[in-house]
This record gives sequence, structure tokens and C-alpha cells, in this order.
Amino acid sequence: EDQVTQSPEALRLQEGESSSLNCSYTVSGLRGLFWYRQDPGKGPEFLFTLYSAGEEKEKERLKATLTKKESFLHITAPKPEDSATYLCAVRFTGGGNKLTFGTGTQLKVEL
Amino acid sequence: DTAVSQTPKYLVTQMGNDKSIKCEQNLGHDTMYWYKQDSKKFLKIMFSYNNKELIINETVPNRFSPKSPDKAHLNLHINSLELGDSAVYFCASSPSGGGIGGYTFGSGTRLTVV
Repeated sequence: EDQVTQSPEALRLQEGESSSLNCSYTVSGLRGLFWYRQDPGKGPEFLFTLYSAGEEKEKERLKATLTKKESFLHITAPKPEDSATYLCAVRFTGGGNKLTFGTGTQLKVEL
Repeated sequence: DTAVSQTPKYLVTQMGNDKSIKCEQNLGHDTMYWYKQDSKKFLKIMFSYNNKELIINETVPNRFSPKSPDKAHLNLHINSLELGDSAVYFCASSPSGGGIGGYTFGSGTRLTVV
């Protein structure tokens, strides 16, 4: 069965303390891996799309990477405003346009 | 200029009632979706319409009925509400084929059934 698993479930960092979030997937025929950020009371907001192993995308303090089995979202020198839930989703062959989401990582960055 | 707008934002109702949630997008997208997010933040797809045609219908009780009067609107009607229907419901849209950026989500409707 196609699955997306994110770890850790929750992560608490000090401001400036870099770390990585993991998204592992078991789908056949990956057609895109997506990272979203979700703030409380809001809908998910698109961050990155990755299509093939080895691909990397960057935006400010965030960098997403992709291998054949997992993706990492690296957060460099985070700030309190980076606190949010980070969601990973995949689109796969046979799934149409459907995005299958993981359960997210709740990130809290403290001063 | 809200891209994907849902109404209402909050909905509190009693068990057994019927309620509707409305969604509109002004992005010119052809495809719209309904997702349900449970208390653990897990987002699960319910339905998808492409240009008014139902293309995804996951295992959802038939008390849930989507309707798309045109490609900019997708509504969700729920009959005989149950306690387990309490969740946040998100509408989303994308270009046909899903788009490079995935979906654009609305801000959600928090449904509480008491």
C-alpha cells in the first residue's frame, strides 16, 4: 500500500539550531514529492516540489532534498517564525492528481 | 484577493443535522478537491472534480455529497451529521494534471458536531 511517513512527529529547536525533518515514502512511480507549511488555523501553504532523486530546492532557511526512498527538509539557523507544521505529500502513478499526505512534523522554534 | 475561499470558517451543529460548506476559487484552475483533516493533522482526500466532472471519490460515506456547479465552485453537503464527522475540511484547487506547485488550499472549515 502506498504510504507516506514523516518523522519526528514533533521537534523543538532553539533559535539558530539547525535540524532536518524526514519524509519517507513507499509508492510506485513517484510523480512528485511536495512540501507544505501549515500554520494554526490556516490551510497548507506550498513550499517545494521535487521530482527526481538528487534534486534539491531552497527557499530562505529551508532546503528540500530527495532520494529514491525519502525526502529531507533541512532548516538552517531557524527563527521563531519558522514554527509551524510541515507536511509532506506525494503524487504517484495510478493516483491521478491525488496528493497523499504524511501526518506532518510540528516544529517549534524557541528564543 | 483570496485565491481559494471557503465558507463558513466555523460550523457547530447537532448530530443528525444536514449542513453545507461552500468553496470558490478565482485562480482559473480546472480541478478542485475536498480534504478532511483529523485531530492529528492527517489530511485525507475525499473528492476531486475536474471541470465539473467527479474524478476521485475515495471511500467516503454516502452522507457526503459534493456538487460542482461550475469549475470555480465546489460545495460539500453532509447529511445526518455524526460525531465522527467533526474535523477541519479543506477545499483546494490545481490546474489539470495537478500543477508544478501541487494544490492551493483554502483556510478550512472547522466542523464540530455535538
